[in-house]
Amino acid sequence: QLQLQESGPGLVKPSETLSLTCTVTGGSISSSNYYWGWIRQPPGRGLEWIGSVYYSGSTYYNPSLKSRVTISGDTSKSRFSLRLSSVTAADTAVYYCARHGTHYDFWSGFPAFEPFDIWGQGTMVTVSS
Amino acid sequence: DIQMTQSPSTLSASVGDRVTITCRASQRISSWLAWYQQKPGKAPKLLIYKASSLQSGVPSRFSGSGSGTEFTLTISSLQPDDFATYHCQQYNSFPWTFGQGTKVEIK
Repeated sequence: QLQLQESGPGLVKPSETLSLTCTVTGGSISSSNYYWGWIRQPPGRGLEWIGSVYYSGSTYYNPSLKSRVTISGDTSKSRFSLRLSSVTAADTAVYYCARHGTHYDFWSGFPAFEPFDIWGQGTMVTVSS
Repeated sequence: DIQMTQSPSTLSASVGDRVTITCRASQRISSWLAWYQQKPGKAPKLLIYKASSLQSGVPSRFSGSGSGTEFTLTISSLQPDDFATYHCQQYNSFPWTFGQGTKVEIK
C-alpha cells in the first residue's frame, strides 16, 4: 500500500535552510487526484499546515511561512521536498509529509479538497547552533 | 485565518465511558471538518472527514456531527486503545488550521 517516508538532517543551524524530502512508495505523486503536503508539530504543541504541492507544480502555502517556504515535487522519483529558509529555534518541530485528495467541484467551478488521509511517520528537526 | 478551538484540553475518562469533544470554528466552514487521533510518537490518523463521515477502517464507536461553526467528536464506549490526543482540522479554506488538541487520559 502507499507509504510516505520523510528524510533529511535532524539538526539545522539558525539562519540556515531546512531541507526535507518525502519519498512515496507503493504509488506515484503523479496522480491528478491528490496533493502532497507538509505539516509540522513543535514539541508539546498542536499541528501546523505548512503547504501542499500538486503533480503539476501548483502549490498552496501557509501565509505565515510563505516568504520562507518552497515545496516542490519530482514525479520521476516519486518524491516531494520542503525547503524552509532562515530557520530559528521556533522552527524546531516534528515534520510530517502527508497526502490529501482533490477533486473538481462542478457546483462552484473550483477545486475542492479532502483532508490528510495518509501520513509519513514524521521526522524531528532541531534548530540549534 | 480560521481559528479552531477545542474543548476540553484534557479529558479524564474510564473504559466504557461515552466521550464527547467539541471543536468550534471562528468562521462558518460548512461541513469541511476532519478529526484525527494521535498517539505519542506517532503521526495523526484520520478518523472522520466532512464532519460526520467515518474513514474506512475506523471503528463505528467513533462518530462526528455538526456544521457551520460547532462540531463534536463522540466515542460511544471508550476502549483502551482510544487513550490518545484528538485534533480537529478545517479544510474549508487555506490556510488549513488545526485545533490545539484534546488529550483523553485514563481516569
